[in-house]
Amino acid sequence: GQQVMQIPQYQHVQEGEDFTTYCNSSTTLSNIQWYKQRPGGHPVFLIQLVKSGEVKKQKRLTFQFGEAKKNSSLHITATQTTDVGTYFCAVTDSWGKFQFGAGTQVVVTP
Amino acid sequence: ETGVTQTPRHLVMGMTNKKSLKCEQHLGHNAMYWYKQSAKKPLELMFVYNFKEQTENNSVPSRFSPECPNSSHLFLHLHTLQPEDSALYLCASSQDLGGVTEAFFGQGTRLTVV
Repeated sequence: GQQVMQIPQYQHVQEGEDFTTYCNSSTTLSNIQWYKQRPGGHPVFLIQLVKSGEVKKQKRLTFQFGEAKKNSSLHITATQTTDVGTYFCAVTDSWGKFQFGAGTQVVVTP
Repeated sequence: ETGVTQTPRHLVMGMTNKKSLKCEQHLGHNAMYWYKQSAKKPLELMFVYNFKEQTENNSVPSRFSPECPNSSHLFLHLHTLQPEDSALYLCASSQDLGGVTEAFFGQGTRLTVV
């Protein structure tokens, strides 16, 4: 199946700081999705990117799809304790099934 | 509440037991999935059903047996499990396979095999 690599695996952030997590693929993607899983919870859909170079914002979260559609990033500004969780990128493979990256686990220290 | 309901939320079973996990969605979705989430591992796709037909069996051991009686219900029958099968089992659904569609997850069943 299609493989996506997420970096970093862990991210410790001071409250108020910014950080970015990345999702990379060796092949061109038709679209990419981002999910968030809170501790003890289940993955929840955040956003989907489809177009080359697309940028979407949700409050303090900025999602970007690379020009070549092989990578994506999630940037969070002014991190808050509510941002704690694991952020996954996901792609649909050629059979239409969701394949998830390993996730970036975010820990926020006050 | 995502519209995908899983029961039970927690399950402890012995290695010789037989149990079943249930997933139900009333979103009108055609595709349903079972994922396994172990500590410090990525989400592992186990089974996929599209219009009640199994389209994927991702090299899952036969001690896991899925059943999809209709588009709204998905079961995972468990038999003779091993301690390493302890994990969070997540059910998900999507409108269809492929295309521009998102996955809706249930809250999962936390399984412990003793």
